[in-house]
Amino acid sequence: DTEVTQTPKHLVMGMTNKKSLKCEQHMGHRAMYWYKQKAKKPPELMFVYSYEKLSINESVPSRFSPECPNSSLLNLHLHALQPEDSALYLCASRGTEETQYFGPGTRLLVL
Amino acid sequence: GENVEQHPSTLSVQEGDSAVIKCTYSDSASNYFPWYKQELGKRPQLIIDIRSNVGEKKDQRIAVTLNKTAKHFSLHITETQPEDSAVYFCAARRARGSYIPTFGRGTSLIVHP
Repeated sequence: DTEVTQTPKHLVMGMTNKKSLKCEQHMGHRAMYWYKQKAKKPPELMFVYSYEKLSINESVPSRFSPECPNSSLLNLHLHALQPEDSALYLCASRGTEETQYFGPGTRLLVL
Repeated sequence: GENVEQHPSTLSVQEGDSAVIKCTYSDSASNYFPWYKQELGKRPQLIIDIRSNVGEKKDQRIAVTLNKTAKHFSLHITETQPEDSAVYFCAARRARGSYIPTFGRGTSLIVHP
């Protein structure tokens, strides 16, 4: 199984809402990533988890809060987002090789 | 840190023509160069990659070449088909020991039937 899954596929939220994005992989990968992608732009790295510990935070605002409950799951908790946070949020994982496998993404709209 | 430049930003070709997308990188320690294809509304998918100990790699209609001295690498697609239309991103692995790719800005390839 070389698949990364993400839920939900689409999310609309107001600026006062709290929501969570979920990512799951069953490839035994120990590195997991959150990216933000705007239309026709490259993915922008947000967070990296390695062996369930946060190893990189690319100066992401605290309204985004990552969590790695176990080696297969990665969450991104959202609170008090701004309209400019509307984007495609991609999860990715990597095993012992360099290849990153991306999930299908969650398309987020903040109203 | 690593910087990856990608050109052109848009490439329009007729079906059956070849397409070439070029990238340059700045960090001479970068040693892994993947290419991703992203169709509209879908995830980036790895289509081919090359490591710095290899100068060229081919997979059917897709090939990648790497010039370490000049810090250039290129994607070549032959006999293009309409389903090749997508945004293509090159990337370079940022530094030795790090598995964080730095992406180019993307090339929107349009293949006209």
